[in-house]
Amino acid sequence: GENVEQHPSTLSVQEGDSAVIKCTYSDSASNYFPWYKQELGKGPQLIIDIRSNVGEKKDQRIAVTLNKTAKHFSLHITETQPEDSAVYFCAASIGGNNRLAFGKGNQVVVIP
Amino acid sequence: DTGVSQDPRHKITKRGQNVTFRCDPISEHNRLYWYRQTLGQGPEFLTYFQNEAQLEKSRLLSDRFSAERPKGSFSTLEIQRTEQGDSAMYLCASSSTVEQYFGPGTRLTVT
Repeated sequence: GENVEQHPSTLSVQEGDSAVIKCTYSDSASNYFPWYKQELGKGPQLIIDIRSNVGEKKDQRIAVTLNKTAKHFSLHITETQPEDSAVYFCAASIGGNNRLAFGKGNQVVVIP
Repeated sequence: DTGVSQDPRHKITKRGQNVTFRCDPISEHNRLYWYRQTLGQGPEFLTYFQNEAQLEKSRLLSDRFSAERPKGSFSTLEIQRTEQGDSAMYLCASSSTVEQYFGPGTRLTVT
């Protein structure tokens, strides 16, 4: 299967708190897992990614963790700011051409 | 701006008309993907090009859809005899390795 599921669908956090979004995937052959941020009226923006040979990756306030055994990966945003408010999508690569299967997205709202 | 560009950004058409969208990838990216995104959903894969060769098509891509990348640079996506169910955001992404960078999309509304 090529299912990617995200939880929760909506997440509200106070400014300065952390936000965590979790995804699960079904294709055990997937080896690349990007996260995208999408603002209203814009295309998805790649914010961080991780490959299957790595368990964790961090870039400033954003980090991603991967558990291949359990087939789940998570996005962590620390010290959230109002500009972090957006829809976040996780994805998993499928097949030799690396097409992406996306989750349904998480609406993150950072409350000032 | 050296990112992925798409044209037009918005298109309103009547049912039964044909429409064509254009995507200009990041320079020297040999891989190009088309996705479709409906409201409240993540993007869904439509088709993939490596250089000028169309190597993969989704079963979502009905016979009314055709895509080309004639010189391995820009790509076009044509929808013939549009239906209301075709209303969506059509996204293009380009890549040189595995990272895919998306354009702003073309929002299609079929009335």
